[in-house]
Amino acid sequence: GAVVSQHPSRVICKSGTSVKIECRSLDFQATTMFWYRQFPKQSLMLMATSNEGSKATYEQGVEKDKFLINHASLTLSTLTVTSAHPEDSSFYICSAGQDGLLEQYFGPGTRLTVT
Amino acid sequence: KQEVTQIPAALSVPEGENLVLNCSFTDSAIYNLQWFRQDPGKGLTSLLLIQSSQREQTSGRLNASLDKSSGRSTLYIAASQPGDSATYLCAALKTSYDKVIFGPGTSLSVIP
Repeated sequence: GAVVSQHPSRVICKSGTSVKIECRSLDFQATTMFWYRQFPKQSLMLMATSNEGSKATYEQGVEKDKFLINHASLTLSTLTVTSAHPEDSSFYICSAGQDGLLEQYFGPGTRLTVT
Repeated sequence: KQEVTQIPAALSVPEGENLVLNCSFTDSAIYNLQWFRQDPGKGLTSLLLIQSSQREQTSGRLNASLDKSSGRSTLYIAASQPGDSATYLCAALKTSYDKVIFGPGTSLSVIP
């Protein structure tokens, strides 16, 4: 199947700083990418949907000014957590999809710890 | 709005037992239904994907079924092993470019 990568896999940052997470589709062009967040012992919750070249669509309750999403190309989407706080510590997973594919492909996830 | 639920939330079985994990979804207009495995602190591993036109899929000791009319899917694990211990997530997809709706997961523990 297709491969989606995420970088970094793990990051620790101090409260108040910003962190950028990259999601890349390595062998296909993804017209749509999704960002999910997973808190301990909980399931994955969608944060936002990004389409190449347009603004992201955020789920209710997700602060768009705090979680900046850029989908500048068909193979790259970035999530920037601005002014991070300890409560932003979580596991962030991206997925990539395209019309005609049988499924979406998920990245391996990024573990963010804010101290 | 699609909602996915899973029963049971947690399951502990002795090694060697056969077991069934259940998944229910409210909107039968799905593109596919997928089962994932997630180990603690790790990402998702896709186990089985059932297209909307299919009834079941098999891979080794795993068998997943889909009944769209009743909004149900089951994951059957035969001859469970301690290495099967993980959280199993059921997920429904409406189109290949739409968001995936995940169930809350079933935490499985297989006791040696």
